[in-house]
Amino acid sequence: GAGVSQSPSNKVTEKGKDVELRCDPISGHTALYWYRQSLGQGLEFLIYFQGNSAPDKSGLPSDRFSAERTGGSVSTLTIQRTQQEDSAVYLCASSTITGAETQYFGPGTRLLVL
Amino acid sequence: QKEVEQNSGPLSVPEGAIASLNCTYSDRGSQSFFWYRQYSGKSPELIMFIYSNGDKEDGRFTAQLNKASQYVSLLIRDSQPSDSATYLCAVRYSSASKIIFGSGTRLSIRP
Repeated sequence: GAGVSQSPSNKVTEKGKDVELRCDPISGHTALYWYRQSLGQGLEFLIYFQGNSAPDKSGLPSDRFSAERTGGSVSTLTIQRTQQEDSAVYLCASSTITGAETQYFGPGTRLLVL
Repeated sequence: QKEVEQNSGPLSVPEGAIASLNCTYSDRGSQSFFWYRQYSGKSPELIMFIYSNGDKEDGRFTAQLNKASQYVSLLIRDSQPSDSATYLCAVRYSSASKIIFGSGTRLSIRP
């Protein structure tokens, strides 16, 4: 049984470059979330996809951040013109609205902007 | 004002004692409440969820919800060193809305 997978697991980039982070949710999960976690901090909500509804983008910190979810499955988080303050672990989670609404988290992508 | 607040800790509890973790939230209409555990360098994992006022028990863990006072707590009985982790409180306003996390409380169980 595959869980949530994310790629790459680690990414080092230079300031000003664009990066793409990928999330493969658990098959059949209709909800997908992106969070950011800086060292020693809690989870900062970024964006939430639920089925065919318009995504909740209220947590995106700036217009350099965008995300899409294709075919209700895979999601890509794009950060344009990266800044050093973007360095963090980016976590993806998926869930089904029915039942216990348990979020299953992926292993995260550790992004370091030099 | 943060939507979900937790004391960052660290909270140090002797082995075998009860650890009590607290969380307050700002949106009175919130419906679902979650406790996650996160070990250092790992992703969060769900411990418990609670929807209704009162207590919910699962093994050594008890979640307590008081909607009138807008707080939710987690009790860990017979604390073990393996319980040492950061505990994240999370809140959802409705079944179709985002889940917001607190900043977490670091718990340390001393032998």
